[in-house]
Order: sequence, then C-alpha cells, then structure tokens
Amino acid sequence: GAVVSQHPSRVICKSGTSVKIECRSLDFQATTMFWYRQFPKQSLMLMATSNEGSKATYEQGVEKDKFLINHASLTLSTLTVTSAHPEDSSFYICSASPAGPDTQYFGPGTRLTVL
Amino acid sequence: QQQVKQSPQSLIVQKGGISIINCAYENTAFDYFPWYQQFPGKGPALLIAIRPDVSEKKEGRFTISFNKSAKQFSLHIMDSQPGDSATYFCAASRYSSASKIIFGSGTRLSIRP
Repeated sequence: GAVVSQHPSRVICKSGTSVKIECRSLDFQATTMFWYRQFPKQSLMLMATSNEGSKATYEQGVEKDKFLINHASLTLSTLTVTSAHPEDSSFYICSASPAGPDTQYFGPGTRLTVL
Repeated sequence: QQQVKQSPQSLIVQKGGISIINCAYENTAFDYFPWYQQFPGKGPALLIAIRPDVSEKKEGRFTISFNKSAKQFSLHIMDSQPGDSATYFCAASRYSSASKIIFGSGTRLSIRP
C-alpha cells in the first residue's frame, strides 16, 4: 500500500515553455501533498506544501508564479513549471500523506531538462 | 533549530562489513525519525523509521539506534552488500500528515566487492 506515482518520469522541453508534472496517490487519499526539488548530489529541498482544495504554501525563495501547484482532488496534485529556463532543470519529487498521524510517501520523481 | 546534520558525506565499506551513518537533530518536537534510501534517478524510499519511545529498531540487516538525550540517531547496515550502494538520507519530523520532513544532507555509500 501507500503508492505514489508521478508522470512523466522524464521530460525535455525548450526554454520558455511550460511543463506540467502530475503526482497521484494510488491507494489512499492524500490530504496533504508536498513538492521537492533535488539537484545532483544534493538533498531534497521542499518547494511547497499543498492541501486539497486550498492554495499551496510555498517555502521561502520559491516563486509561486513560476511553480504553480494545484491539488484539485484527494488523489492528484500537479506542479506546472511556467516559462521554464535551463536553471529549472532538476529532479522533481512529490510526496503524499494521508489524513491522521502518518508520514509522507514519495513518488519516483520526474527528471526535467530544459534546453 | 530545524536542521538535521548528517555524517559522513561519503562512505566506502568492504562487502560484509558494517556501514554506520550518523545524524543529529535540534528540535525536540520531532517525534519521527526515518531513513531513506535513494538510487540514482529514483525517488527516495523509506528504509526504516523509529519513534522516540524506543532506543533501537531492527529490520533485517538495518538497525536504527536512537539517543534521545543526545538528540542523535544512527543507521547501521550489517553485512553490507554491493546492492546497498546508494545515497542514504536521515530525516526528522512530527508524525503528522501535514508535517514537513527535514532531511539530512545525505551519505553516498559504496560497498566494495
């Protein structure tokens, strides 16, 4: 149980385009979802926390207009990187957490490469 | 007060040896201490976790030792195998659905055949 999927697993796009990444909890309802970014050989950096039906809470230094997060249902959250630039190239990982005392369950990650 | 300090940054262990990774935290409100294993190009996978009501937890070859008074915890991998070569992250959080997980900086473990 507690499986989280991400789609796509990797994406290559041109500079200036927007890219949408989906995160789904497959066998539980996720009241809270988290989005992380990981640069090579570094730890995971939390970008934002989202609760179903409400606006996401962004970490300091993360541009909310650039990284649009939508948590429209209890099983789906999306991250849209708008007007992507090469410096946005990174490994994006989502996690989901069910209601009540529990931990986060991580997705397999999405490799974004902006040319 | 939110930091989790992890050491060493990298570790090389002979096959069959014991791998030891150490972490320290500051926030006494944390009550959940997981360890994650991450292979290149993959998301982190929960390996083993401990709550502060016990000082040790063992699952197969993996053991967490927890010292509440010192605010330290460590991962021991017994009989280390080449397949254990990965990056390991310690972390700390509140055991709650909305709690942020604070990650350590990671340890790149290589097991030599």
